Amino acid sequence: ETGVTQSPTHLIKTRGQQVTLRCSSQSGHNTVSWYQQALGQGPQFIFQYYREEENGRGNFPPRFSGLQFPNYSSELNVNALELDDSALYLCASSSSRQREISEQYFGPGTRLTVT
Amino acid sequence: AQSVTQPDIHITVSEGASLELRCNYSYGATPYLFWYVQSPGQGLQLLLKYFSGDTLVQGIKGFEAEFKRSQSSFNLRKPSVHWSDAAEYFCAGGTSYGKLTFGQGTILTVHP
Repeated sequence: ETGVTQSPTHLIKTRGQQVTLRCSSQSGHNTVSWYQQALGQGPQFIFQYYREEENGRGNFPPRFSGLQFPNYSSELNVNALELDDSALYLCASSSSRQREISEQYFGPGTRLTVT
Repeated sequence: AQSVTQPDIHITVSEGASLELRCNYSYGATPYLFWYVQSPGQGLQLLLKYFSGDTLVQGIKGFEAEFKRSQSSFNLRKPSVHWSDAAEYFCAGGTSYGKLTFGQGTILTVHP
């Protein structure tokens, strides 16, 4: 059974640019959640996708957007990058029905640095 | 507002000593509760979870946690710490649709 994978591992971007991060969910999982973890902080919920539809969103601006594909993999897109977007971006997958919580399994993360 | 608080930013214990990491939650109803561990530069590994039922929950790596409704707490314990347990530990709570709210984390240092 393959766990959650994320790519790339590290990324350096310039302020104002756009970035796409990718996540492959664990086999059998239909739900993907994205979190932002700033240095020294706990992860903050960005949004969740369930069967290709957004299923909840945290307090992040619209320039943070996402997609989920039919194979349940997912992308996180961030437009107009700001310095404060520098963080570890974590993807988590779970097997759940909509509005039902279940344990989430995390990938290793993508470290984004904005200069 | 829903919140999870970990009062201790950094804890140091000697190898072989017992460990307790504190977690308090503030939710309108009883949340689902989790403990995760994160090694430097890594993702989060699930240690244990509480959904309902028995208030003492067993997890992986010899960890356990006790849910206490009266104290709004979900403290993580281990009777004997190993050097490999050094990491950062996160308590998290959730209600609907899988949004997890994390505490700020507790860094555990283990002295030989």
